[in-house]
Amino acid sequence: DIQMTQSPASLSASVGDRVTITCQASQSISRFLNWYQQKAGQAPTLLIYSASSLERGVPSRFSGSGSGTDFTLTITSLQREDFATYYCQQGFSTPHTFGPGTKLEIK
Amino acid sequence: QVQLQESGPGVVKPSETLSLTCSVSGSSVNSGSYHWSWIRQPPGKGLEWIGYIFYSGSTKYNSFLQSRVTISIDTSKNQFSLNLNSVTAADTAVYYCVMGGMATRSFDSWGQGTLVTVSS
Repeated sequence: DIQMTQSPASLSASVGDRVTITCQASQSISRFLNWYQQKAGQAPTLLIYSASSLERGVPSRFSGSGSGTDFTLTITSLQREDFATYYCQQGFSTPHTFGPGTKLEIK
Repeated sequence: QVQLQESGPGVVKPSETLSLTCSVSGSSVNSGSYHWSWIRQPPGKGLEWIGYIFYSGSTKYNSFLQSRVTISIDTSKNQFSLNLNSVTAADTAVYYCVMGGMATRSFDSWGQGTLVTVSS
């Protein structure tokens, strides 16, 4: 199985900040990397697919990059509604595995 | 807009079978463009992919549950279902049904989730 790691595990930031979350796969997954946002008590929602494609309706302050084993999710100019937990997920092979999550909290 | 809704018991006894159904609206489970997954999240923990089914009825399961899980599809009702047998407390989780993109291999649209507690 492909293992996914994320860093940091948690992050404190302020409204207006720029933040970067990294995700690493245990082997090359090409660009089959997706990012999700999960707010407390809610289902996850897809933010970014195929490493860098913005899902319809997702604000342009979210962006993704990377290929192979190393990927990043960047949020520019944080808004209050962005404070949530973020997960990466590989779609390269089954079982489709998720990273452990990064909790983004308000400083 | 696609909507998915899980239904089933909120409490299951140990050693019994957990059964959930997902009703889909706004898309067809008969579409070859999507796969239909179950994903779970134990309380306070991360996301675990259980498996998925295609319109043809073919399935793929996560090996950690493979011997206990069955996912089926009912195209006449536009639903798909999860059966997980011999449950233990470790199966207590929020269970999500999810529509995913075949090309992107992403999980595009999620149900709201249903908490299933395994307890006697």
